[in-house]
Amino acid sequence: DTEVTQTPKHLVMGMTNKKSLKCEQHMGHRAMYWYKQKAKKPPELMFVYSYEKLSINESVPSRFSPECPNSSLLNLHLHALQPEDSALYLCASSHIPDDYNEQFFGPGTRLTVL
Amino acid sequence: DQQVKQNSPSLSVQEGRISILNCDYTNSMFDYFLWYKKYPAEGPTFLISISSIKDKNEDGRFTVFLNKSAKHLSLHIVPSQPGDSAVYFCAAATGNQFYFGTGTSLTVIP
Repeated sequence: DTEVTQTPKHLVMGMTNKKSLKCEQHMGHRAMYWYKQKAKKPPELMFVYSYEKLSINESVPSRFSPECPNSSLLNLHLHALQPEDSALYLCASSHIPDDYNEQFFGPGTRLTVL
Repeated sequence: DQQVKQNSPSLSVQEGRISILNCDYTNSMFDYFLWYKKYPAEGPTFLISISSIKDKNEDGRFTVFLNKSAKHLSLHIVPSQPGDSAVYFCAAATGNQFYFGTGTSLTVIP
């Protein structure tokens, strides 16, 4: 299995809702990432998990809460989002956190906040 | 401030000819560079990479060139094929942190 899967593909939520994005990989990768991508912009790094521990938080607002329950799963919990948080949320994984390895990306979750 | 830039938002090339995509970066701490290809409704797919200790890396039709003094890298695709039509992102890395360029949309005309 050489892919990263993300669910759901699309999500529409109101500003008072609580929802979660899920990411899964079974490649034995020990680094997992969340990126946010707005239209016509590059992916922007949000969080990095290395060996299931949060190693990088790029000053992301607390309404985004990541969780890594095990080495194969990565969640992003969403609460009290704003319309400007509407974007494509990409999950990625790579082999070894402290070495250079290409990242494998999932297809993304298209999030719309109303 | 954008640390990795792709100044050409789009590029059109005839099938069989060479496609050259360019990327500039500002941070001299970057020591690993990658190119990703992205089709609509899909996540980016890794294409080719280069370490800062090299100036060229080749993989089939794809060659990446790195000019550290100019802080510039380029991706050459020869020969270009219609299936290469996609958005190409360059990325620069230091440690765990990857920074992506804004992307160049390549169209290969049959």
